[in-house]
Amino acid sequence: EVQLLESGGGLVQPGGSLRLSCAASGFAFSTYAMTWVRQAPGKGLAWVSTISGSGSNTYYADSVKGRFTISRDNSKNTLYLQMNSLRAEDTAVYYCAKTYHYGSGRGYFDYWGQGTLVTVSS
Amino acid sequence: DIQLTQSPSFLSASVGDRVTITCRASQGISNYLAWYHQEPGKAPKLLIYAASTLQSGVPSRFSGSGSGTEFTLTISSLQPEDFATYYCQQLNSSPPTFGQGTRLEIK
Repeated sequence: EVQLLESGGGLVQPGGSLRLSCAASGFAFSTYAMTWVRQAPGKGLAWVSTISGSGSNTYYADSVKGRFTISRDNSKNTLYLQMNSLRAEDTAVYYCAKTYHYGSGRGYFDYWGQGTLVTVSS
Repeated sequence: DIQLTQSPSFLSASVGDRVTITCRASQGISNYLAWYHQEPGKAPKLLIYAASTLQSGVPSRFSGSGSGTEFTLTISSLQPEDFATYYCQQLNSSPPTFGQGTRLEIK
């Protein structure tokens, strides 16, 4: 059974940093791209970033480029999202998702974690 | 970026009803479209990919169709667990984008 478990969310001040983790199990982690998708309170879904299975290719939404870094440790079956220079508009539930990747960050998301809430506020 | 517009944004229906949700793309996306279902407070779940292929384990009352710029998701006979929000997503070009959602509520 595929399981994705996010952690690391919380309250952070504007300009601060946070690192999210997503522990994966139940599938061959290193052979799949992984993605972070976020959902602001009461809003729809928004793609944040995708990383290839090997970790050698990464893709970002313009809104987070230069501030967020996606990475993975295939020896630990864990995905990460390092978030720096956080803004109020980054407040959202962040989901990690197993991805069928078509290249260039394009893919669909067949399994999702339960999400972790990031709140950026002073 | 490709914009996806879902209609309606809100839909009220009864158990057993047949409902259809439409997703229109701002430019052609072939069949690179997926549909998701999200219950309140829970993570989205993949229902359909490649516009019409049912994800493993998804009940056959769900079906998808379309190509190019217009797509539909149909639920043939609504069940209580189907009352949720539905999103379409395009993966034809980067960045992948989602529709604004269609909230399906019990009448």
